[in-house]
Amino acid sequence: AQKITQTQPGMFVQEKEAVTLDCTYDTSDQSYGLFWYKQPSSGEMIFLIYQGSYDEQNATEGRYSLNFQKARKSANLVISASQLGDSAMYFCAMREGQRTGANNLFFGTGTRLTVIP
Amino acid sequence: GAVVSQHPSWVICKSGTSVKIECRSLDFQATTMFWYRQFPKQSLMLMATSNEGSKATYEQGVEKDKFLINHASLTLSTLTVTSAHPEDSSFYICSGRGRRDVCYFGSGTRLTVV
Repeated sequence: AQKITQTQPGMFVQEKEAVTLDCTYDTSDQSYGLFWYKQPSSGEMIFLIYQGSYDEQNATEGRYSLNFQKARKSANLVISASQLGDSAMYFCAMREGQRTGANNLFFGTGTRLTVIP
Repeated sequence: GAVVSQHPSWVICKSGTSVKIECRSLDFQATTMFWYRQFPKQSLMLMATSNEGSKATYEQGVEKDKFLINHASLTLSTLTVTSAHPEDSSFYICSGRGRRDVCYFGSGTRLTVV
């Protein structure tokens, strides 16, 4: 089974509007971490936001917020006030066993966001 | 955020030659580095996990003799693609585990084997 599922291959949003990128995950671990990365056309992976499974509040980083719904196993990324520079590929990722070992990240298939002027 | 420097950013090499890719964590110590490969319009595929001072752990299907990984220090890990062939052409990217357990990525290396 896929550990991370991103069901939106592509999304469009008007500049200055908010957009939600969906992510659901599958794990039997109680302790895990959820991440969102942005990959522009240049290829680099830019860390955006992190949510620990035990964090009670939704993570926020500037214009990015993570809508964490543990019971539904979803970790949607909300980008407010979209900018043209937000156009990129967005990946949701999970690491199981938060803060233990050398666990790697499992990545979703990504969502390509295009911001329209 | 933390910085991982990866170079070269792109390389073109002849079939049969070897290519070395370096990743350095500039402002944190990465006891663990992960090496990924990404095909066009696809997600990242983990190739191997590199631990400082010990042998790398390779994912199933990844040839350890072809993709040599060395993690000689807490800030440097290298991936050498030996006897490269056109099918090895891809985007390779490393990441180091930094503060708050966040993985920070290098800028990637686009390898083209001709």
